[in-house]
Amino acid sequence: AQKITQTQPGMFVQEKEAVTLDCTYDTSDPSYGLFWYKQPSSGEMIFLIYQGSYDQQNATEGRYSLNFQKARKSANLVISASQLGDSAMYFCAMREAGETSGSRLTFGEGTQLTVNP
Amino acid sequence: DGGITQSPKYLFRKEGQNVTLSCEQNLNHDAMYWYRQDPGQGLRLIYYSQIVNDFQKGDIAEGYSVSREKKESFPLTVTSAQKNPTAFYLCASRRGHLLDTQYFGPGTRLTVL
Repeated sequence: AQKITQTQPGMFVQEKEAVTLDCTYDTSDPSYGLFWYKQPSSGEMIFLIYQGSYDQQNATEGRYSLNFQKARKSANLVISASQLGDSAMYFCAMREAGETSGSRLTFGEGTQLTVNP
Repeated sequence: DGGITQSPKYLFRKEGQNVTLSCEQNLNHDAMYWYRQDPGQGLRLIYYSQIVNDFQKGDIAEGYSVSREKKESFPLTVTSAQKNPTAFYLCASRRGHLLDTQYFGPGTRLTVL
């Protein structure tokens, strides 16, 4: 069974600084996908960034980058130049491979990020 | 605008009553999903559907039922058999390819009194 672990229940960062949110995963499938979602207090899940297991380069989307270390089974999210609007809950998720899985996602328990002015 | 809508945003029900949560998408996505989120926790999969008139149980399907009669709609019924239904419910959808990203609706917060 797939498992996602986020070991940081809460993180604090100063505005304009960078922050790394940790995510480790466990799977026996050679093909998988890793996602990061942001959940502000309104509750909606906002897709941030995706990394495929066969991708050679780390994914980047604007201020978000994914530090993918396959051998260590880690997929940490790096947010550069933090903004007050980045304060939210962040979830790491893994997509199961195979047609029978329906592309379902397994989520970690999340990290609450607070950006201080 | 294209997107996923869930209604209502807040829902209150008495214990023992069935309640149906709505999820509609106009993105022409093939697959749809229902997740449950409890306070301070991640999401858990309830049901999913990859095509019309077909759906599969997720990890916590007991006490829930779904239907997929139309491509754009995937309603979730929380039955009286669900022992602890108070939670935040999120609907998601995905285009046809298995590698496509899931996108989420705004969620429905259900409180059973």
